[in-house]
Amino acid sequence: QQPVQSPQAVILREGEDAVINCSSSKALYSVHWYRQKHGEAPVFLMILLKGGEQKGHEKISASFNEKKQQSSLYLTASQLSYSGTYFCGTPYNQGGKLIFGQGTELSVKP
Amino acid sequence: EAGVAQSPRYKIIEKRQSVAFWCNPISGHATLYWYQQILGQGPKLLIQFQNNGVVDDSQLPKDRFSAERLKGVDSTLKIQPAKLEDSAVYLCASSFWDQWGETQYFGPGTRLLVL
Repeated sequence: QQPVQSPQAVILREGEDAVINCSSSKALYSVHWYRQKHGEAPVFLMILLKGGEQKGHEKISASFNEKKQQSSLYLTASQLSYSGTYFCGTPYNQGGKLIFGQGTELSVKP
Repeated sequence: EAGVAQSPRYKIIEKRQSVAFWCNPISGHATLYWYQQILGQGPKLLIQFQNNGVVDDSQLPKDRFSAERLKGVDSTLKIQPAKLEDSAVYLCASSFWDQWGETQYFGPGTRLLVL
């Protein structure tokens, strides 16, 4: 029931765009995105609801494909500060505890 | 606004010893979580509290792990006795609910190494 993230890792140059996907085998009600830098706590980025509404980061957006039970996180014009491991979390049931994916490691180079 | 506080930040112990971690959630957050994060993996839920009651401890290895949240604020997680495979980062998170659902905020974690 753990969501599956892809790709596992991505390397970008500053200013490039990236997409991180989060897929689930069960119905998704919402997807929560976090970024974790090495040795630090995961930091909340955004919540994406099933209807497409989203709360969170100004420079990061996400989409929800209900047919595929997949969410995609879009990082545009990446900055060095975007480097880290991105985790998606999906509620175990509607409004329940989060189950996290295995993470996507993003490295932004100058 | 102060974030989630955890201590200690690092702990090294030998197997079969005991260890305890402390968490102080964000003021006003009724829900508190303990997660275990093994290197290279996502956080895995150990236990969820709502105020001072346990909501979900299905993933907690109860033969060696215990947790409590007295007075519905601070929480402690204990491991006794520790095994090598308990080496991980232990994250505490607290959350609030709004029209968007539940938003969790994580503490800095305690990095445990069992030798």
